[in-house]
Amino acid sequence: NAGVMQNPRHLVRRRGQEARLRCSPMKGHSHVYWYRQLPEEGLKFMVYLQKENIIDESGMPKERFSAEFPKEGPSILRIQQVVRGDSAAYFCASSPGQESGEQYFGPGTRLTVT
Amino acid sequence: DQQVKQNSPSLSVQEGRISILNCDYTNSMFDYFLWYKKYPAEGPTFLISISSIKDKNEDGRFTVFLNKSAKHLSLHIVPSQPGDSAVYFCAARGSSNTGKLIFGQGTTLQVKP
Repeated sequence: NAGVMQNPRHLVRRRGQEARLRCSPMKGHSHVYWYRQLPEEGLKFMVYLQKENIIDESGMPKERFSAEFPKEGPSILRIQQVVRGDSAAYFCASSPGQESGEQYFGPGTRLTVT
Repeated sequence: DQQVKQNSPSLSVQEGRISILNCDYTNSMFDYFLWYKKYPAEGPTFLISISSIKDKNEDGRFTVFLNKSAKHLSLHIVPSQPGDSAVYFCAARGSSNTGKLIFGQGTTLQVKP
């Protein structure tokens, strides 16, 4: 049973470009979460999605960031017009439901903005 | 406003001894607490969780204790092994409606052979 898959593992973008991060949840999991870890900090919640629905986006920056989890295919975190401050590790997690609170994380995508 | 705090940035213990990692929180509405282990350049690995209605949960070498009156939880690892050396994060869930986990800053555990 494959775990949470994220790609790419490393992404380098120049300032002003777009970054697309992909996440495939564990088999049987319909809940997806995105977190960001800035250097020397803990993980910060960004957004919680179920298939075709955004449930909680209270941690998403108001501009340039968007997320989706379509009916078919992976969840996508999109960052438009990246800036140096977007450089971070972005982690995706999934869960089968909400009963136990457990979320299972992918290996992360390390975004570097030059 | 840091709702989940791990006040010890690092901890060093001898192999075979007990490791105790601590975590404090401020929000009494949290319904689940979790511990994760993280190696560099990898995602967090789930270790153990506890519901807010319980005060102890045990899984092999890992035991989590929850003291709601003190808003404090701890993770005990017995016996500690060198492979346990990693960064440990505690996390709390606001409610099932949001699914949002709030993480502490992490504690780096070093287990010396």
